[in-house]
Amino acid sequence: DGGITQSPKYLFRKEGQNVTLSCEQNLNHDAMYWYRQDPGQGLRLIYYSQIVNDFQKGDIAEGYSVSREKKESFPLTVTSAQKNPTAFYLCASSPYGTNTGELFFGEGSRLTVL
Amino acid sequence: KQEVTQIPAALSVPEGENLVLNCSFTDSAIYNLQWFRQDPGKGLTSLLLIQSSQREQTSGRLNASLDKSSGRSTLYIAASQPGDSATYLCAVKMDSNYQLIWGAGTKLIIKP
Repeated sequence: DGGITQSPKYLFRKEGQNVTLSCEQNLNHDAMYWYRQDPGQGLRLIYYSQIVNDFQKGDIAEGYSVSREKKESFPLTVTSAQKNPTAFYLCASSPYGTNTGELFFGEGSRLTVL
Repeated sequence: KQEVTQIPAALSVPEGENLVLNCSFTDSAIYNLQWFRQDPGKGLTSLLLIQSSQREQTSGRLNASLDKSSGRSTLYIAASQPGDSATYLCAVKMDSNYQLIWGAGTKLIIKP
């Protein structure tokens, strides 16, 4: 089935550790996105990528890093520099070029810092 | 700066009622507006997308309207069912190359 797969679904991290969240899509979409969701707030954009080997910072990129070496994959690393990393992280993709903005989401990864 | 607001934050209604969820935005020069559904601990599913030139979109029991002049969109759910219980989020796109600006969502509970 076509879709977006995020892993792991739940992740616990000690302070000072880097963690990497995986996002894989088989929709052949060009654009991929990482969002952070906190209770009572709208989604906030961390990073996005419109083509392979290119990505741009979103509104809250500090403390995060990404790579886009393959069209299908857009992993997110939460570094120790992120002051408050406990959150629900959502990966999304869209068929770039349509300009409709329709997004398809993965099931999310919940990161908890102990 | 565009701001998107969804009020109320939570809503509980008996099964079978028709209901309206609200989404307000401060800048009327939007490109399009989308409604999404999110089940607890899950990702988002796109429900309806309304282009700036459109007034409404319908899908099954859902109808979304757009009034740019008043900075408002509504999501109408007819004959609500317990399975409609979820958080509903709206998001606006300001330009074809702009990213989405999100509301915080309305958590809907349909009581059997």
